[in-house]
Order: sequence, then structure tokens, then C-alpha cells
Amino acid sequence: AQKITQTQPGMFVQEKEAVTLDCTYDTSDPSYGLFWYKQPSSGEMIFLIYQGSYDQQNATEGRYSLNFQKARKSANLVISASQLGDSAMYFCAMRSPPGGTSYGKLTFGQGTILTVHP
Amino acid sequence: DTGVSQDPRHKITKRGQNVTFRCDPISEHNRLYWYRQTLGQGPEFLTYFQNEAQLEKSRLLSDRFSAERPKGSFSTLEIQRTEQGDSAMYLCASSLRGQGTNTEAFFGQGTRLTVV
Repeated sequence: AQKITQTQPGMFVQEKEAVTLDCTYDTSDPSYGLFWYKQPSSGEMIFLIYQGSYDQQNATEGRYSLNFQKARKSANLVISASQLGDSAMYFCAMRSPPGGTSYGKLTFGQGTILTVHP
Repeated sequence: DTGVSQDPRHKITKRGQNVTFRCDPISEHNRLYWYRQTLGQGPEFLTYFQNEAQLEKSRLLSDRFSAERPKGSFSTLEIQRTEQGDSAMYLCASSLRGQGTNTEAFFGQGTRLTVV
């Protein structure tokens, strides 16, 4: 079974500063994918960044980077130069491994509410 | 717009009534997922289709829930005899099964159900 843990219910950051959102995971599969999604108050889940278990380098997408520490089973999201529009709920998720009928299914953590102060 | 579309966005219904939600995935996506999200929680997987075949159903999906995806295009999720515990956001997502590994799922804006 796969499990995602996000231990920070809420985080606050000053505009233009960087913030790290924590995510740890548990799986017995050697092949997996990790995702971060942003959910603003409108409800839509917006894809931010992806890290594959075999990727050698940490993923980056603009102001988002993923601090992937495989041995510690952590996949923390780093948002640099925070903006007011970054205020939202953030979810870490793991995708079921390939080879089975469940491939593609996502298991989500409980989320972290990020508030960016001006 | 070619994103995932869900209808309705909001639904208020009386306990015991049946409701049906619709999801239109991104047109070339062959996989479609339904998730349920209660307040303050992450989305939980309900069921998933590859083309028109329903490949997996969560234990969360009681007998009152049924989902279809005729012809592998849009999907419907029906809840019969709604209960207050069914109140949640119902999210639909689609993805493309391909060779790459970073085939992320794209989500719709969800249908918020309130059972009174």
C-alpha cells in the first residue's frame, strides 16, 4: 500500500521569500512517481511538478523545485520568490506503479495550506 | 478551452434523492478518474476507466454509487439515495496512457455536492 504524509497543516511565508512544504511517502514499489498539485479556493487541482523514482536529478519547473531524498523517502516542494497568488492548498501525491490496472491512480496527502503575506 | 470539464459545479439535494454528475475529459485522454474530497482532506480515489472499461473501484464506492463511460468519452457518476455523508467535492481527472512516465493527470474544477 502507498501512503503520503504531509505534516504541516498550515504554513506562512512573506512575499518574495522561499518556502518548503514537506512530504514523506511510503511504498514498497521500486518504481513510482511523485506529484505536487496546487488547489486554490476555486477547487481545481493544478499540476505543479513531477519526480520519478529513477530520476537522477531533482525536478524543477520555474519557481518550483522538488527536493527529492530517496533514502529518506521525502519529496519536499520548494517555492522560491513567493507571490500572493501562491496562497492555496498544496497536495503531494504518489502514482501507483506501472504494470498493474491501477497505474495512474493517485494517492494524496492531507495537504498544506500556504498563506503568503504581503 | 480543452481542459477537463465538470457539470454541474454545485449541487444541493435533499437526502434520499439521486444525483448525477458529468465529466468531459481532455479529448485525446484515454484514462478517466473520479475522486472524492471532503473538507480539509486530500482527494480519495473512487474509480477509474481506461477507454470505456471500468478497471478499478475503491471500497469507498458503495452500491449506491455507479459510474459509466460510454464510448470512452465523457463519464457520469451517479449517487442513488444520497446521504449527508455524501456531501463532498467530486473531482474528475484525465490522463493519457503513454510511453512517458510523467503523464500527469489533469483535473476538472469539481462538483461540490451538498446533501441537506
